[in-house]
Amino acid sequence: QQQVKQSPQSLIVQKGGISIINCAYENTAFDYFPWYQQFPGKGPALLIAIRPDVSEKKEGRFTISFNKSAKQFSLHIMDSQPGDSATYFCAASMSYSGAGSYQLTFGKGTKLSVIP
Amino acid sequence: DAGVTQSPTHLIKTRGQQVTLRCSPKSGHDTVSWYQQALGQGPQFIFQYYEEEERQRGNFPDRFSGHQFPNYSSELNVNALLLGDSALYLCASSLRFQPQHFGDGTRLSIL
Repeated sequence: QQQVKQSPQSLIVQKGGISIINCAYENTAFDYFPWYQQFPGKGPALLIAIRPDVSEKKEGRFTISFNKSAKQFSLHIMDSQPGDSATYFCAASMSYSGAGSYQLTFGKGTKLSVIP
Repeated sequence: DAGVTQSPTHLIKTRGQQVTLRCSPKSGHDTVSWYQQALGQGPQFIFQYYEEEERQRGNFPDRFSGHQFPNYSSELNVNALLLGDSALYLCASSLRFQPQHFGDGTRLSIL
């Protein structure tokens, strides 16, 4: 059972354009939604994250929009640059009352190519 | 300040063998999580260690086991390797309930 569905699988955007990646989740207990960026040969790096008490969070050129009723969230990359070309993963987790930290459930990823 | 470091970077094994992967967490972090990333897929949670105990476990068979040492470093052991175990194995560290930071992984190939 795939708990986090991500689309599109791949995306080509011109330099300066807006890249939009969408995710949908099923488990209403999820309450932490991060986005990770992964370059070839590297591990995922945290870009931005949101909790369901806000509908939008912006950090620089990256914005997360969150729709709790639709159980959907999206990543917008404004003024996309060739250096943004990477694979992007959405993820979700739920608060864990025990010791330790959040267990992340990832989407399958979106390969973004930004062409000059 | 070193981030999460994993060793080795690449490893080739044959079916039926056993493998041990190692992870040193980011300085100040006390929790280590392990993920398996198959080619073209998102990472899948294997298990998490905190205070030297396995605290959470994903849907992986008990061929996958781990350990956390008093200095918070961790090992992932996989026994009776299968072709399907070929993947990138990622270690992530965090301070309790803080965002997870990933290492660059160990690429495991099974022949």
